[in-house]
Amino acid sequence: EAAVTQSPRSKVAVTGGKVTLSCHQTNNHDYMYWYRQDTGHGLRLIHYSYVADSTEKGDIPDGYKASRPSQENFSLILELASLSQTAVYFCASSDGWGSQNTLYFGAGTRLSVL
Amino acid sequence: QQQVRQSPQSLTVWEGETAILNCSYEDSTFNYFPWYQQFPGEGPALLISIRSVSDKKEDGRFTIFFNKREKKLSLHITDSQPGDSATYFCAAYDTNAYKVIFGKGTHLHVLP
Repeated sequence: EAAVTQSPRSKVAVTGGKVTLSCHQTNNHDYMYWYRQDTGHGLRLIHYSYVADSTEKGDIPDGYKASRPSQENFSLILELASLSQTAVYFCASSDGWGSQNTLYFGAGTRLSVL
Repeated sequence: QQQVRQSPQSLTVWEGETAILNCSYEDSTFNYFPWYQQFPGEGPALLISIRSVSDKKEDGRFTIFFNKREKKLSLHITDSQPGDSATYFCAAYDTNAYKVIFGKGTHLHVLP
């Protein structure tokens, strides 16, 4: 079964601090994604990647960086965390793009910025 | 701004009833519509999906009805069970471009 593992599961960060969220997949999928979930906003795409060492901006990339050092690993980096970045973050993977390819989500990381 | 709208925001039904969750979109380039189910504390998981060339997709108790002309679709859950209590997200893809939009979700509560 598809497996996407996120770490940490929850984190408290201080405003202005650096935060790194990690994601590891064992699906052998080419595509990986970072989504943000907020009450009232649903899921919004932050960054995605379809090959190692390359990342692409999603719909809300401002304030976030991403890193894909290998096919299996995808990180989301908040260089200067802000209160507005308090949210639940989901990593996902898929074999490709579009109707043939299901998104497999991790269990999420709950980030609180104080 | 492309939008995918879901209604109602929250829905409560009794066990055994049919729950109807609605979704609409604006961009006519969207051609693939998956529905994801999310339980508390978990990530979303694909429940059922439909392509714009079809008007209906059925999988057990779950059925999607799709109206391309009106840009609307609905998810019907028949014989609802308490275990169906979850948040349901409608998403819209333009498979010819790297474009996907999720709706804000519908919280379904099924009372025993």
